[in-house]
Amino acid sequence: QKEVEQNSGPLSVPEGAIASLNCTYSDRGSQSFFWYRQYSGKSPELIMSIYSNGDKEDGRFTAQLNKASQYVSLLIRDSQPSDSATYLCAVTLNYGQNFVFGPGTRLSVLP
Amino acid sequence: ETGVTQTPRHLVMGMTNKKSLKCEQHLGHNAMYWYKQSAKKPLELMFVYSLEERVENNSVPSRFSPECPNSSHLFLHLHTLQPEDSALYLCASSQGSSGTNYGYTFGSGTRLTVV
Repeated sequence: QKEVEQNSGPLSVPEGAIASLNCTYSDRGSQSFFWYRQYSGKSPELIMSIYSNGDKEDGRFTAQLNKASQYVSLLIRDSQPSDSATYLCAVTLNYGQNFVFGPGTRLSVLP
Repeated sequence: ETGVTQTPRHLVMGMTNKKSLKCEQHLGHNAMYWYKQSAKKPLELMFVYSLEERVENNSVPSRFSPECPNSSHLFLHLHTLQPEDSALYLCASSQGSSGTNYGYTFGSGTRLTVV
């Protein structure tokens, strides 16, 4: 099993809809979880971090973490065409000693 | 300048050339990283430096040689590369060697093409 998995997409949603991005991870010892956004030809930028079970909201973004089920998700409300990018999930493994990225999900928000 | 800066932005080199990538961070972080990003593959960690000491080398071929002269600067020396080494090379920094609490700040990357 791969350490961090994401659906590669593309995930297409209409403008104004909610985009839901999912990530699963293999290491039950993982403690820190991050979502990065990467526009084509650009470097990743950190948009959300979450460390505890439950939801964390920041503007239009909500990160959800369920450690028992080993998944973390990112919801984008009122999606805009400018949200079109690849979203990378990153997870610390081995109780914080390693930091692994998923392959990313490409999101396309259609005007 | 602020953040993490990488130079050059683009590099084309022959398989027999020697070149170096440079990274500089202005964030006061104490850890720096080199990542490789190839098409349709996850980001691959290459090297980690914490407090200028190399703490991880993920079985990277010896044709890649890192150097960290101080906590603000990181280099990746390249020699006798192969075409499959063509990729986007990203530098990142963090406070703490695993980025556990704060995540990474990435540079803009160097797009490397080996011909």
